Amino acid sequence: SAVISQKPSRDICQRGTSLTIQCQVDSQVTMMFWYRQQPGQSLTLIATANQGSEATYESGFVIDKFPISRPNLTFSTLTVSNMSPEDSSIYLCSVMGLAGGSSYNEQFFGPGTRLTVL
Amino acid sequence: EDQVTQSPEALRLQEGESSSLNCSYTVSGLRGLFWYRQDPGKGPEFLFTLYSAGEEKEKERLKATLTKKESFLHITAPKPEDSATYLCAGTQGGSEKLVFGKGTKLTVNP
Repeated sequence: SAVISQKPSRDICQRGTSLTIQCQVDSQVTMMFWYRQQPGQSLTLIATANQGSEATYESGFVIDKFPISRPNLTFSTLTVSNMSPEDSSIYLCSVMGLAGGSSYNEQFFGPGTRLTVL
Repeated sequence: EDQVTQSPEALRLQEGESSSLNCSYTVSGLRGLFWYRQDPGKGPEFLFTLYSAGEEKEKERLKATLTKKESFLHITAPKPEDSATYLCAGTQGGSEKLVFGKGTKLTVNP
């Protein structure tokens, strides 16, 4: 599996501000995703980060609130905009389709970013 | 609506006491059933993928099985280091989206 890193690992932010989370993979991957894990809840897919085009968002998530970039095959960012306390959560990136790998259908997760909004 | 339900929510075992975790799903056209382990403060760690009823996969003290309606994660002679939250997720044909259950928090006491 790939080595996946996220920055920052945690942050405490004020209401109304924005935070950009970075996800870096040590090898090229076909697909990258962003998930949210709220306290006591399941992981929920926010969007699929598409290289060179707009991300594909799941129902209930919009680009204005969660803009996503994916400039190449190893890097993506998720921005949480105009934050409110309800955005307090763990945000996770995942990757699939490692270049040269045999486990195409398996998703591997980063360590997560723990966000607290005051 | 696609759903994945895990039971029990929490499970306490003594070291060496074998048990099973359950994952039932209503994902139409299930393409894959995934098991992950998640330790506190960390991202989920991939364990297994199962694709068809009757399939089984093993890794150390863990064995995952799949039927047409549910999956089981069997833990044989667990050790305290097996303590974690175990997550189950399904994908539909044509989609890479993982639909997760809420997880089973396993505690193994020495």
